[in-house]
Amino acid sequence: GAVVSQHPSWVICKSGTSVKIECRSLDFQATTMFWYRQFPKQSLMLMATSNEGSKATYEQGVEKDKFLINHASLTLSTLTVTSAHPEDSSFYICSAHSGASGSNEQFFGPGTRLTVL
Amino acid sequence: KNQVEQSPQSLIILEGKNCTLQCNYTVSPFSNLRWYKQDTGRGPVSLTIMTFSENTKSNGRYTATLDADTKQSSLHITASQLSDSASYICVVSSSNSGYALNFGKGTSLLVTP
Repeated sequence: GAVVSQHPSWVICKSGTSVKIECRSLDFQATTMFWYRQFPKQSLMLMATSNEGSKATYEQGVEKDKFLINHASLTLSTLTVTSAHPEDSSFYICSAHSGASGSNEQFFGPGTRLTVL
Repeated sequence: KNQVEQSPQSLIILEGKNCTLQCNYTVSPFSNLRWYKQDTGRGPVSLTIMTFSENTKSNGRYTATLDADTKQSSLHITASQLSDSASYICVVSSSNSGYALNFGKGTSLLVTP
């Protein structure tokens, strides 16, 4: 149980294009999903928190117009990196919280490696 | 400021040997502490989770300890295997910060034949 998937697992795109990453909770409904970014040999850094049906809450320093988050259903959240630049190249990881477990445990997806040329 | 410090930063051990990873934190008020294993290019996978009242938790060859008084935790790996090579991340949450997680930078473990 508590499986989270991400698609794609890796993507290469040209500078200036937009890339959409999907995060799905496969066997539970996620009231809240989180998007993280991880640079090599660094810790996961929270980018934003999204709640189903409402606007995402972005962490300080994260541009909401560049990283568009949509949490349209209880099993799907998407992160769109708009007008991507090489410095956006990173490992993007989502996590999901069920809300029903009574704890604040987050279940992590396998990550998406984004490379912007 | 809530912080989580892990040591060592990296570690190389021979297959079959044991090792212990350390985690010190200043997160307050404390809610729980988790150890995750993150393989290269993959998302973190939970190994153990401990609350304030728990001082040890095992998951197969992984045993985590928690001293809430000194705010220290350790992860002991017994009879290491090549597949244990990964980054091990200590994550501490506070009881007054909702879903926010405080991540350590991880210990990179390499198990060699």
